[in-house]
Amino acid sequence: AQSVTQLDSQVPVFEEAPVELRCNYSSSVSVYLFWYVQYPNQGLQLLLKYLSGSTLVESINGFEAEFNKSQTSFHLRKPSVHISDTAEYFCAVSPQAGSSNTGKLIFGQGTTLQVKP
Amino acid sequence: DTAVSQTPKYLVTQMGNDKSIKCEQNLGHDTMYWYKQDSKKFLKIMFSYNNKELIINETVPNRFSPKSPDKAHLNLHINSLELGDSAVYFCASSQRTWGGETQYFGPGTRLLVL
Repeated sequence: AQSVTQLDSQVPVFEEAPVELRCNYSSSVSVYLFWYVQYPNQGLQLLLKYLSGSTLVESINGFEAEFNKSQTSFHLRKPSVHISDTAEYFCAVSPQAGSSNTGKLIFGQGTTLQVKP
Repeated sequence: DTAVSQTPKYLVTQMGNDKSIKCEQNLGHDTMYWYKQDSKKFLKIMFSYNNKELIINETVPNRFSPKSPDKAHLNLHINSLELGDSAVYFCASSQRTWGGETQYFGPGTRLLVL
C-alpha cells in the first residue's frame, strides 16, 4: 500500500519570497511522483512529475521538485513566488509495479499556498 | 474547447434521491477516472475505466455505480443519497492505463445533500 504525507497544511509567504512545500511518501513498491495544482474552484492540473532519470524535475512556471529516494521525499520549491501562485498543491504517487500499475493516484492532504503582497 | 467536462457543475438534492453526474472527454484518451474530494480537500479515487472496461473499483458503497457507454464518457450514478455523499466529484482522463500518465481533470461537480 502507498501513503503520501504533506507536512504543511498551509504555507503563507510574501510575494517574491522563496517557498518549499514538503511531501513524503511510503510505498512497498517503486512509484511515480506527481505534483498537481488546484486553483480556486477549478479542477487539478499537473505541475510536474518524476518518472525516471534526473531526480530534479522542473515545470514551465518556475517550480521544481527533487526526488530523494533515501528520504522518500519529493519536495516542491520555487525561488520567487507570485500572487498568481496562490492555490492548493497536491503531492501524489502512483505504483509502478506489475498489477499495481493501474494509473491509480494516491494523494496527500494538500498544502494551501497563500502568497501575500 | 474544454478537454474534460462535467455536468452539472452544482447539484443540490435531498437525502434518499438518486442522481447522476456526467463526464465527457474530447482528448481521445482511453482511460477515465472518478475521484471524490471531501470537505477537507482530501482526494480519493473511486473508479477507473479503460475503453469501457472497469479497471479500478475502490471500496465504495454499492450505491455508487459508474457507467461508460463509450471511451469518451464516464458517468456516475448515485442511489439513495446520504449526507456523507456531499463532496466535490472530479472526473479525469489519461491517454492510457499506466501509472506515469498525466491525468487531466474536469472542473468538478459540487454535490450537496440536504
